[in-house]
Amino acid sequence: DIQMTQSPSSLSASVGDRVTITCRASQAVSNYLAWFQQKPGKAPKPLIYAASSLQSGVPSKFSASGSGTDFTLTITSLQPEDLATYYCQQYNYFPLTFGGGTKVEI
Amino acid sequence: QLQLQESGPGLVKPSETLSLTCIVSGGSISSRDSQWSWIRQPPGKGLEWIGSIYNGATTNYNPSLNNRVSISVDTSKNHFSLILTSLTAADTAVYYCASRGVVVVTTVSHWYFDLWGRGTLVTVSS
Repeated sequence: DIQMTQSPSSLSASVGDRVTITCRASQAVSNYLAWFQQKPGKAPKPLIYAASSLQSGVPSKFSASGSGTDFTLTITSLQPEDLATYYCQQYNYFPLTFGGGTKVEI
Repeated sequence: QLQLQESGPGLVKPSETLSLTCIVSGGSISSRDSQWSWIRQPPGKGLEWIGSIYNGATTNYNPSLNNRVSISVDTSKNHFSLILTSLTAADTAVYYCASRGVVVVTTVSHWYFDLWGRGTLVTVSS
């Protein structure tokens, strides 16, 4: 199985900050990577697919990059509504696997 | 616009079998090129893919579930289902149904979870 490792596991930031989350795959997954935002008590919401393509309706404050084994998700101008846990997920190989999550606190 | 809603028991006894259904509304389940999927999340933990079904019959399951899982589609009822056998407390989780839709990016198809149900909590306890 491909292991997805996210760092940090949690972070605390201030309103207006720029936040970067990293995700590393145990083997190359090309750009078959998605990012999700999960708010407390809610289902995950897709943010990014194909490593850097923004899901329709997602604000441009979210951006992502990477290919192969190393990926990043960046949130600019952090707002209280961005309080959530963020997950990366590879979909190049079965079993599909998720990172352990990064909890963003404000 | 399609919506997904999980349906099933909230409490199941150890060693029994869990049966969940994902009701697809707002359109026909046959109208979407999708891999219909199940994902779960134990309380306070991360996400685990359970399995997916494509073209009504092609299935992929997570080997970690040790052949305890089965996913099927019923197009006449516009829903798909999950069966998980030999339950233990470790199967306690919020179960999500999801659709792996496809988007083509520079001629490459990307199948990712673009549509999710709200989730249903299943507790395994006697």
